[in-house]
Amino acid sequence: DTAVSQTPKYLVTQMGNDKSIKCEQNLGHDTMYWYKQDSKKFLKIMFSYNNKELIINETVPNRFSPKSPDKAHLNLHINSLELGDSAVYFCASSQANRVTEAFFGQGTRLTVV
Amino acid sequence: GDSVTQMEGPVTLSEEAFLTINCTYTATGYPSLFWYVQYPGEGLQLLLKATKADDKGSNKGFEATYRKETTSFHLEKGSVQVSDSAVYFCALRTYNNNDMRFGAGTRLTVKP
Repeated sequence: DTAVSQTPKYLVTQMGNDKSIKCEQNLGHDTMYWYKQDSKKFLKIMFSYNNKELIINETVPNRFSPKSPDKAHLNLHINSLELGDSAVYFCASSQANRVTEAFFGQGTRLTVV
Repeated sequence: GDSVTQMEGPVTLSEEAFLTINCTYTATGYPSLFWYVQYPGEGLQLLLKATKADDKGSNKGFEATYRKETTSFHLEKGSVQVSDSAVYFCALRTYNNNDMRFGAGTRLTVKP
C-alpha cells in the first residue's frame, strides 16, 4: 500500500499546454508539499499545505497553482507550460512537527517540448 | 534563513572504502536533522535522523551524529557497497519552518 502516490509518473507535453499532477497520501498526515528537482538534483520547495491551507509559496510563478480538496490530496496544476518547467516534481507529506520526517512520492518527470 | 550546506560531489569510491559526506547547517531555531537517499529513478527515502544535540542516527551501516557546537551532521559508513550508489541529501526542519530544507545533494558512486 503506497504511502504517498502521485500520478502520472511521466508527462510529456508541448509548450503552452495546461497540465495537472495528482498526489494522495494515506498516512493521515496534516501537511503536504510540492518540491521541484532540477537536472542537477537540487530540491526546491514550491508549496506547503497544512490542514488545507497554503502556508508557503516560495517565489513560484503564478502559472503554478496547488489545489487541496481535502487533507489527503494536494494536486499541482500548471498553466501555459514553458521549456524551463521541465523537471521532476515530488509530492511529500508529514506531520506538522519538527521532529518528524517527510515521506516522498516517486516523482513525476515532466518534459516540455 | 535556515539552510543546509553539504559537500559537493560527485564522490567515487571503491567497494569497502570508508565514506564521509559533510553536512553543516544554519538555523534560527532548534532543528531536527535528516539524511535522505535517492536511488536512480526513485523518490527520496529517509536514511536516518537525529532530533537533538549529541543524538546519533543510524541505519543500514550509515551513521551521523548531531553536533550542535559545530552545527554539523556528517554522514559516515565504514564499508560502502556498490548498492550504496545513490544521491544523498542532508536536510533540516525547525519548529518555525513547516517544510524541510535540503542541501544540494551529493552523488556517490561505488565501484567494484
